[in-house]
Amino acid sequence: EVQLVESGGGLVQPGGSLRLSCAASGLILSDHWMHWVRQVPGKGLVWVSRVNSDGRSTIYADSVKGRFTISRDNAKNTVSLQMSSLRADDSAVYYCVATTPSSDYWGQGTLVTVSS
Amino acid sequence: EIVLTQSPGTLSLSPGERATVSCRTSQSVSSNSLAWYQQKPGQAPRLFIYDTSSRATGIPDRFSGSGSGTDFTLTISRLEPADFAVYYCLHYSGSWTFGQGTKVEI
Repeated sequence: EVQLVESGGGLVQPGGSLRLSCAASGLILSDHWMHWVRQVPGKGLVWVSRVNSDGRSTIYADSVKGRFTISRDNAKNTVSLQMSSLRADDSAVYYCVATTPSSDYWGQGTLVTVSS
Repeated sequence: EIVLTQSPGTLSLSPGERATVSCRTSQSVSSNSLAWYQQKPGQAPRLFIYDTSSRATGIPDRFSGSGSGTDFTLTISRLEPADFAVYYCLHYSGSWTFGQGTKVEI
């Protein structure tokens, strides 16, 4: 059974940093491009970032560019999202997503709350 | 940046009826770059349609996708109780862009 488990969410003050991790089991992560998608509870889905299979190519939404860094460790089957200079509007549930051209797997999400 | 606009925002229907959800892109996109997701409360989204019209694994054939250029459609031929949820279209091409979602409710 494929599982993606996000961790690292929590309460952080504006301007602070947080590192999210996504641990994969039941699939070979290096076969997948990985994305982070966020969602304010009750609102729509917003794409955040993507890293390709070998980690050499990354891309970010304009809203997080320069503040967030996506990375992966295929040997450990994990993907991370380092978030800095956090703002209130970064508060959301963050999902990691493993993709192939015809399928994908989503974790259950980790909640990030940016508040003083 | 491509913008995806879904309509309607909410679709109120009964089991057995046909549902049609529209997704319009702000510029023409490849048919190999449009997908549809279903999301139920408290759950992660689930891929239903990719490449405009290909059903993902396990998706029943009452779900179909069509379209080209800037106009794409998700059709549910006969709604079942499990189909009442929020549906999102997604354009994928390096980066991703989601539509704002359409709630299909009873």
